[in-house]
Amino acid sequence: KAGVTQTPRYLIKTRGQQVTLSCSPISGHRSVSWYQQTPGQGLQFLFEYFSETQRNKGNFPGRFSGRQFSNSRSEMNVSTLELGDSALYLCASSPTGTSGGAGELFFGEGSRLTVL
Amino acid sequence: AQSVTQPDIHITVSEGASLELRCNYSYGATPYLFWYVQSPGQGLQLLLKYFSGDTLVQGIKGFEAEFKRSQSSFNLRKPSVHWSDAAEYFCAVAARGNAGNMLTFGGGTRLMVKP
Repeated sequence: KAGVTQTPRYLIKTRGQQVTLSCSPISGHRSVSWYQQTPGQGLQFLFEYFSETQRNKGNFPGRFSGRQFSNSRSEMNVSTLELGDSALYLCASSPTGTSGGAGELFFGEGSRLTVL
Repeated sequence: AQSVTQPDIHITVSEGASLELRCNYSYGATPYLFWYVQSPGQGLQLLLKYFSGDTLVQGIKGFEAEFKRSQSSFNLRKPSVHWSDAAEYFCAVAARGNAGNMLTFGGGTRLMVKP
C-alpha cells in the first residue's frame, strides 16, 4: 500500500507570494491533517479534514487555508507568505475519524518551504 | 489548554544501554497518549499509543511506555538501544471525545546513540 505522498518536497518562495501544497493520503483513509514543524515552535496543528469538511482548526491566521476533495486528497494554501512561514509542512492521514482511532496518524515526508 | 513537556532536548546513550525518555502532560482529564519517532528527513511514525486499560503499552521496534496518572506522565522505554534508534522522539496527546486527529506535541527529544 502506498504511503502518504506530499508534493512538492521542496520549494522556495519570496515574501508576499502564495503557495499550494498537495497531499495524497493512504488509500481508504478519509481523514487528512496538516502540521507545521519549525525549530522554534515545534510541531503545530494546522487543520484536519474529514469527508471534505474541516473538522478541526489550529491557531493559525486566515492566510492558512485548506481543502479536501472527494477522493480524500487535500491541499493547503498559504497566502501572502511571510519569512516566519518557512517550515516543514507535514500531512498525515488516518483510517478513521472517530475518537477510537484518534491520533493514529500516518505521516508523509513533508514539504519543506523556504520563504526569502 | 493541554500541553506536553519533554524535559530532555538531547539524550545520548551507548548502544546496548537502556533508554527512558520522559513525557509529562497537562490536561483536565486523561487524554489519549502517543509516542512518535522522526528520523532525519522523514515524516513521523507512530511507535505506540495509550487509550485505556493496561497502563504499560507495547509498541513497535521494542519500545514500551508506561502511563502514570498520578504523575501525568507517559515515559518511553527500551531495554537495549540500537544505533538505528537514533532519531527524534515526540510525545503527543489528543483530547478524549475529540472526534478528530488534533494532536498536541511535545518539543521532542533528540536521541543520539554512541557505538
